[in-house]
Amino acid sequence: DQQVKQNSPSLSVQEGRISILNCDYTNSMFDYFLWYKKYPAEGPTFLISISSIKDKNEDGRFTVFLNKSAKHLSLHIVPSQPGDSAVYFCAARWISSGSARQLTFGSGTQLTVLP
Amino acid sequence: DSGVTQTPKHLITATGQRVTLRCSPRSGDLSVYWYQQSLDQGLQFLIQYYNGEERAKGNILERFSAQQFPDLHSELNLSSLELGDSALYFCASSVTGGGDEQFFGPGTRLTVL
Repeated sequence: DQQVKQNSPSLSVQEGRISILNCDYTNSMFDYFLWYKKYPAEGPTFLISISSIKDKNEDGRFTVFLNKSAKHLSLHIVPSQPGDSAVYFCAARWISSGSARQLTFGSGTQLTVLP
Repeated sequence: DSGVTQTPKHLITATGQRVTLRCSPRSGDLSVYWYQQSLDQGLQFLIQYYNGEERAKGNILERFSAQQFPDLHSELNLSSLELGDSALYFCASSVTGGGDEQFFGPGTRLTVL
């Protein structure tokens, strides 16, 4: 049962253009959504997050949008740079028990920014 | 560099064998998480420890077990290995384990032949 889905395994974008990565979820109990970025031979690193009570969060070139009614979130990167080429994972946080929080990850989208 | 270290980087073994993966969290982090990433899959949460105690359990098989030691490093033990256990295994750590940011290690790539 995949509760967080990234339906596009790959995306190619020209340098300077906008990259839009999408993520859909099914569980209404998620309270936070996060994007992680992963380079080859490294672990994922946190990029940006958004609370379930907000619809937008911006950090420099990165903006995350949350549409709760559609259970959809997206990550916008503007302008895209070659160094942004990586795998991007969407993750959703939920309360597993007491104060414990778990993350459920999507399968990732490989972003390639072409110079 | 996240500050989380994992050893070994690569491990090749045969079906039926047992292996141990090791993780050292960032200095000051009390919580450790283990994740499995199989081919074309997202990271699957396996188990979480906080200050030596198991805090949460995910889709961890009975053949797998973990523990966190007094010095806060953690080990993931995988036994009776099957071909399908071939995957990247990531360890992450956080300060409290209560939803704060997780920092990931570089992973251990396990290949079962």
